[in-house]
Amino acid sequence: QVQLVESGGGLVKPGGSLRLSCAASGFNFSDYYMSWIRQAPGKGLEWVSYISSSSSFTNYADSVKGRFTISRDNAKNSLYVHMNSLRVEDTAVYYCAREFQGTSWPNWFDPWGQGTLVTVSS
Amino acid sequence: QSVLTQPPSVSGAPGQRVTISCTGSSSNIGAGYDVHWYQQLPGTAPKLLVYGNRNRPSGVPDRFAGSKSGTSASLAISGLQAEDEADYYCQSYDSSLSGYVFGSGTKVTVL
Repeated sequence: QVQLVESGGGLVKPGGSLRLSCAASGFNFSDYYMSWIRQAPGKGLEWVSYISSSSSFTNYADSVKGRFTISRDNAKNSLYVHMNSLRVEDTAVYYCAREFQGTSWPNWFDPWGQGTLVTVSS
Repeated sequence: QSVLTQPPSVSGAPGQRVTISCTGSSSNIGAGYDVHWYQQLPGTAPKLLVYGNRNRPSGVPDRFAGSKSGTSASLAISGLQAEDEADYYCQSYDSSLSGYVFGSGTKVTVL
């Protein structure tokens, strides 16, 4: 079945860096756009970044632009986000999600991984 | 501050019908972009509930119905059940932000 499994979360100090990974299985990974979405503790969902199927296009939320870099390795069925200059407000559960494209815009997210917690604290 | 505004909470007795609104503007829902809905049960990842304004993925009961008009969208849950207690989020795209946007989220409580 279609599955997404995130890893790499943990505790990091402000200003530090972290790389999250998302392992995909059960579908042809190289056919799909992928996104990272985060949820701060007790808060709502915030889209972070997407990457096109061939890595030609990327897009970022203003809150992470210039600090986060999304990438993928289609040969390894894996999605990544490298997070630099981390701030306390980046503390959240980070989900990876497959983007599903219909006949109109925007894409929707299905499925989602179980998430990995990133805590930025001194 | 979410670009798409939802009521923080709605509640209803078992069997009743509740509606969750998702209010946007001319740069997102009003621009013609589709709206999708997600259900997040306590302690779990969000799950797709409605896509393309009104379409349900396989396995989602027809008790869940989405609609869109003007700068707003709605999710109606009829025949409310205890298992529907969850947070619900709408999602669309905003041309001013050039990115995907989520609603502020609505907690549904079954009385």
